[in-house]
Amino acid sequence: NAGVTQTPKFRVLKTGQSMTLLCAQDMNHEYMYWYRQDPGMGLRLIHYSVGEGTTAKGEVPDGYNVSRLKKQNFLLGLESAAPSQTSVYFCASSNRDGNQPQHFGDGTRLSIL
Amino acid sequence: GDSVTQMEGPVTLSEEAFLTINCTYTATGYPSLFWYVQYPGEGLQLLLKATKADDKGSNKGFEATYRKETTSFHLEKGSVQVSDSAVYFCALDDSGGTSYGKLTFGQGTILTVHP
Repeated sequence: NAGVTQTPKFRVLKTGQSMTLLCAQDMNHEYMYWYRQDPGMGLRLIHYSVGEGTTAKGEVPDGYNVSRLKKQNFLLGLESAAPSQTSVYFCASSNRDGNQPQHFGDGTRLSIL
Repeated sequence: GDSVTQMEGPVTLSEEAFLTINCTYTATGYPSLFWYVQYPGEGLQLLLKATKADDKGSNKGFEATYRKETTSFHLEKGSVQVSDSAVYFCALDDSGGTSYGKLTFGQGTILTVHP
């Protein structure tokens, strides 16, 4: 039962470097989400997708891009990493039926030096 | 916009103590309400949910009642265990058919239970 898998689990970047975080789900969910978790601030939505080929901005989208080329995968990109993007990133997915819970991955801890 | 406010932590209890974590919300529609739990080094897991006023969600000895009149969804457990030590998040989904399941989270409450 893989559920939602995030890679990598840890990464250290230098300011200005780029990287892509991968999220994969095996539950055939329509909706997928990227959040960042910072101390004392809960989780904040970065971008989300309601289906293959579609993406939309969340609460804190600046500095991030996403793509959903396949239904099961949702990629989060940082084009030019900044120290303010040091955070723990969580991917989640859910069924399109109303009031369904989101299923979360175990997170990616990203440090930008 | 929608918002969720949780009681500030951290909360430290002895085993078998009674737990309450307060959660209040503001929303424009009729949201569904959730409690998620995050154990160390893991992602969030759904603990319980309630989808309409006066519903009570329950799971693993935890309970929360959707109170529309006080816009609250407080989490309670009668007797906590060391294994309940985790971070607890209150969240709402103000669907109305257009939010695509997006959740608004509270800031989280750290619970530590000592033997």
